[in-house]
Amino acid sequence: DIVMTQTPLSSPVTLGQPASISCRSSQSLVHSNGNTYLSWLHQRPGQPPRLLIYRISNRFSGVPDRFSGSGAGTDFTLRISRVEAEDVGVYYCVQATHFPWTFGQGTRVEIK
Amino acid sequence: QVQLVESGGGVVQPGRSLRLSCAASGFTFNTYGMHWVRQAPGKGLEWVAVISNDGSQEYYGDSAKGRFTVSRDNSKNTMYLQMNSLRTEDTAVYYCTRGGVPYFDLWGRGTLVTVSS
Repeated sequence: DIVMTQTPLSSPVTLGQPASISCRSSQSLVHSNGNTYLSWLHQRPGQPPRLLIYRISNRFSGVPDRFSGSGAGTDFTLRISRVEAEDVGVYYCVQATHFPWTFGQGTRVEIK
Repeated sequence: QVQLVESGGGVVQPGRSLRLSCAASGFTFNTYGMHWVRQAPGKGLEWVAVISNDGSQEYYGDSAKGRFTVSRDNSKNTMYLQMNSLRTEDTAVYYCTRGGVPYFDLWGRGTLVTVSS
């Protein structure tokens, strides 16, 4: 199975400052069709996850442009350009290139 | 209104069975693959299973293989998860979520399964 490793696991950030989360996969996530199926989800306490980014860098509908994704192969990054209070919660990367699909452990973002 | 609503959770003894349902509305259900994802209390997300839009293909996570079966009834816009031989470690909130492009774009609120004697 593909292992997804996120760093850091916890990220205290100051409002208005940037934040960055790394996600590494144990194998390349490039599919045989040339696409890379790496997404980012955000989960607030007591709520289901919601999709932020899909296929590395595509923002989902309604996601603010302060969120961006980048990377290739086995190394991926989610960036928040200026953290807002509503951005607290846990962020997960997930790969859908290889079965079984697998999630990272999650990164908790909290306000300092 | 586009939504997914899970039901069927509850408290069950180890070794027993439970069937979860996921009712879809507001979109053309039979054009989407559908997934189950679970989250143990205080833990991260774990992918459980997926079923193709027409029900012809299924894939399972390691913890579900041989014990869980995903199915769907497109005439009822509903997906199911039959869980057999339940273990205490299956205790979790079970979410259904939509596949397609992009996948995981729509989630239900989840249903809690507690496996305990």
